[in-house]
Amino acid sequence: GQQLNQSPQSMFIQEGEDVSMNCTSSSIFNTWLWYKQDPGEGPVLLIALYKAGELTSNGRLTAQFGITRKDSFLNISASIPSDVGIYFCAGFTSGTYKYIFGTGTRLKVLA
Amino acid sequence: NAGVTQTPKFQVLKTGQSMTLQCAQDMNHEYMSWYRQDPGMGLRLIHYSVGAGITDQGEVPNGYNVSRSTTEDFPLRLLSAAPSQTSVYFCASSRGARNEQFFGPGTRLTVL
Repeated sequence: GQQLNQSPQSMFIQEGEDVSMNCTSSSIFNTWLWYKQDPGEGPVLLIALYKAGELTSNGRLTAQFGITRKDSFLNISASIPSDVGIYFCAGFTSGTYKYIFGTGTRLKVLA
Repeated sequence: NAGVTQTPKFQVLKTGQSMTLQCAQDMNHEYMSWYRQDPGMGLRLIHYSVGAGITDQGEVPNGYNVSRSTTEDFPLRLLSAAPSQTSVYFCASSRGARNEQFFGPGTRLTVL
């Protein structure tokens, strides 16, 4: 079946640093979504990407839909303590009627 | 709008018991889905529905049943609970299969 490899699995960073994470797959996707999950909560949508090469920002967050359509990237600039959480990517292929989720990147910010 | 609501928030079952996890949305979304989240494994799709009266299996459907009699509700039934079903269950909805999915707060289930 389709799989998404998300990396890194976890990371510790200092407050104020920039963060980069990515998702890769052997399959082509038509849509990428990025979510953040706080402890004890459901995932919350951060950014949606619908076209190859698309670059979209949401405040300090920027995500890109890879031109090969097999990967996506999320960057967080000037991290703050509330950025702590688990970040998930999800990819969608037309005709499948379902998203595949990555295993998540756990972010910890050191003040 | 309340968005996606799930009940109960917590549940403890004994092996062999049955129960229904409730999910409702008030956004008139056609697409609804159920996921389970286990440590280190991300979100895995159990069942999904593209509209009232239509359901299909996801990655891990065994041991679970669903039905979709209305647009708003999408209950998940555990027929005979097993310890392997201990997990956090999330319901999600979206306008269509490809659109952004909105998640509920989750149900934390423990099967003893």
